[in-house]
Amino acid sequence: AQSVTQPDIHITVSEGASLELRCNYSYGATPYLFWYVQSPGQGLQLLLKYFSGDTLVQGIKGFEAEFKRSQSSFNLRKPSVHWSDAAEYFCAVGAGNNNDMRFGAGTRLTVKP
Amino acid sequence: EPEVTQTPSHQVTQMGQEVILRCVPISNHLYFYWYRQILGQKVEFLVSFYNNEISEKSEIFDDQFSVERPDGSNFTLKIRSTKLEDSAMYFCASRLGGGELFFGEGSRLTVL
Repeated sequence: AQSVTQPDIHITVSEGASLELRCNYSYGATPYLFWYVQSPGQGLQLLLKYFSGDTLVQGIKGFEAEFKRSQSSFNLRKPSVHWSDAAEYFCAVGAGNNNDMRFGAGTRLTVKP
Repeated sequence: EPEVTQTPSHQVTQMGQEVILRCVPISNHLYFYWYRQILGQKVEFLVSFYNNEISEKSEIFDDQFSVERPDGSNFTLKIRSTKLEDSAMYFCASRLGGGELFFGEGSRLTVL
């Protein structure tokens, strides 16, 4: 079965600084990969997804992620963080006939003024 | 834009009581899911449902849980006899085919 690891539980960055959130997956074939964001008390909003093709995918709110098969990674990046980006970020992998999605443990992002 | 809707947004119940959480998936979607998020923890897969039957379920989804699509539009999660540890946010999701899951806003369940 597929699984996802997010090594960083909590990251703090200064507003305007660049951001990279790490995600590693485990799956035998090419998975579907996703990043979701969750603000406190809110639902899950899809930032971006990778199914196939170009390994660098662009998402909403200025986020991008790069699929690296050799490293089994799908790291999320943003060149300049805004205070409103403070939230919990979840990487997810979908696989199998049912595309049943599995989530990582999440990375909490704090943005310093 | 079509969306997945969930009711109630918050339910408080006594331990041992039955709870039904309701979801209306996006109308032309074919696959349906329930996920659970205990406060401060990761989002955990509970069950997937396709063609009127469960396609996969996790270890969490024991005999106390059941799902149903009673009328072609609603997708319900029933917890037969709630325990304190069932307190969590429950997310419903749906998808059309091979695309991404669309999530509802969640139903917060508090078991006292």
